[in-house]
Amino acid sequence: EAQVTQNPRYLITVTGKKLTVTCSQNMNHEYMSWYRQDPGLGLRQIYYSMNVEVTDKGDVPEGYKVSRKEKRNFPLILESPSPNQTSLYFCASSLGGQTYEQYFGPGTRLTVT
Amino acid sequence: SQQGEEDPQALSIQEGENATMNCSYKTSINNLQWYRQNSGRGLVHLILIRSNEREKHSGRLRVTLDTSKKSSSLLITASRAADTASYFCATGLTGGGNKLTFGTGTQLKVEL
Repeated sequence: EAQVTQNPRYLITVTGKKLTVTCSQNMNHEYMSWYRQDPGLGLRQIYYSMNVEVTDKGDVPEGYKVSRKEKRNFPLILESPSPNQTSLYFCASSLGGQTYEQYFGPGTRLTVT
Repeated sequence: SQQGEEDPQALSIQEGENATMNCSYKTSINNLQWYRQNSGRGLVHLILIRSNEREKHSGRLRVTLDTSKKSSSLLITASRAADTASYFCATGLTGGGNKLTFGTGTQLKVEL
């Protein structure tokens, strides 16, 4: 089954404790991206990647890192999480960039205390 | 402020009625997409319309695009309780590289 998977689905952590949210897709998609969703703000793009070793900032990249060492994986790294990063995070992938349908993962609900 | 803003923010209708939601954007686009999100879950793609298109249909969905007014509308005909969800527009900007910018969404509730 074609899908985007994220792990963990739920995470509660404390300020400053480094964490990684994994994202993997099995559709051989070139494009992958991360979004955060907050009430009243919709989805905001954090980072995206057009291919292996190619990443670009989205609208809200501060406090996040990403890497694309393999085509199928695109982990999101929070080096020193803060409470304002409490949010619902989605990973997405597509054949290409903005002109293609995005396939979304199920989401990761992160709480930073 | 957001590139895409949906209107209304919330909409409640009876099953069988039509639902119309609108999306306005600020700058020139290459394409506009509509997505549906069931509560707390991942978004699902509904339809994509390119800047040189004016109308597209998919089943009970009809999307229009007016680039002169920088707006799009999504019409769901003969709505069902299962259509209850949030609906988002997403724009691919001209010269915006590969970024996709989402609006704030319309929450649709279809009551039996």
